[in-house]
Amino acid sequence: AQKITQTQPGMFVQEKEAVTLDCTYDTSDQSYGLFWYKQPSSGEMIFLIYQGSYDEQNATEGRYSLNFQKARKSANLVISASQLGDSAMYFCAMREGIGAGNMLTFGGGTRLMVKP
Amino acid sequence: GAVVSQHPSWVICKSGTSVKIECRSLDFQATTMFWYRQFPKQSLMLMATSNEGSKATYEQGVEKDKFLINHASLTLSTLTVTSAHPEDSSFYICSARRPLSGDTLNYGYTFGSGTRLTVV
Repeated sequence: AQKITQTQPGMFVQEKEAVTLDCTYDTSDQSYGLFWYKQPSSGEMIFLIYQGSYDEQNATEGRYSLNFQKARKSANLVISASQLGDSAMYFCAMREGIGAGNMLTFGGGTRLMVKP
Repeated sequence: GAVVSQHPSWVICKSGTSVKIECRSLDFQATTMFWYRQFPKQSLMLMATSNEGSKATYEQGVEKDKFLINHASLTLSTLTVTSAHPEDSSFYICSARRPLSGDTLNYGYTFGSGTRLTVV
């Protein structure tokens, strides 16, 4: 079974509008972390936002916020006031447990295209 | 802070030759680094976990004799693609694990800028 599922392969959003990118996850661990990364065409992975499984408040970082619904196992990324520079691939990722070697597992990604 | 430098950013090599990719953590110590491969229009797939001073742990299906990983210091991990073939052409990216904002229970991951390998 997929551990991280991003159901939207591609999305369009009008500049200055808000957009929600979906992410659902599957884990039996009580302690885990959820991450969102942006990958522009250059290929670099840019960290956007992090949510720990024990965090009660939704994470926010500037125009990015994470809508964390633990019971539904979803961690959607909300980008407010979209900008042309937001056009990129967006990956949701999960780290299970707190062990030293725990790696990130990535979803399939969503390509966001911002229209002027 | 928390910068990972990856070199080269792109490389073209002939089939049968070996290519070394380096990842350095510039301002923090990375006891654990991860190596990913990404094919066009696909997600990142973990190849191996590299631990300083010990052997790397490879994911199922990844040939350890073909993708040699060395993590000899707390700031440097290398991936060598040996006897490269055209099917090894891909985007390779490393990631270093680091504590998040002083929280020792939660870790973040800083990525290198990636290496685009083309084998001709």
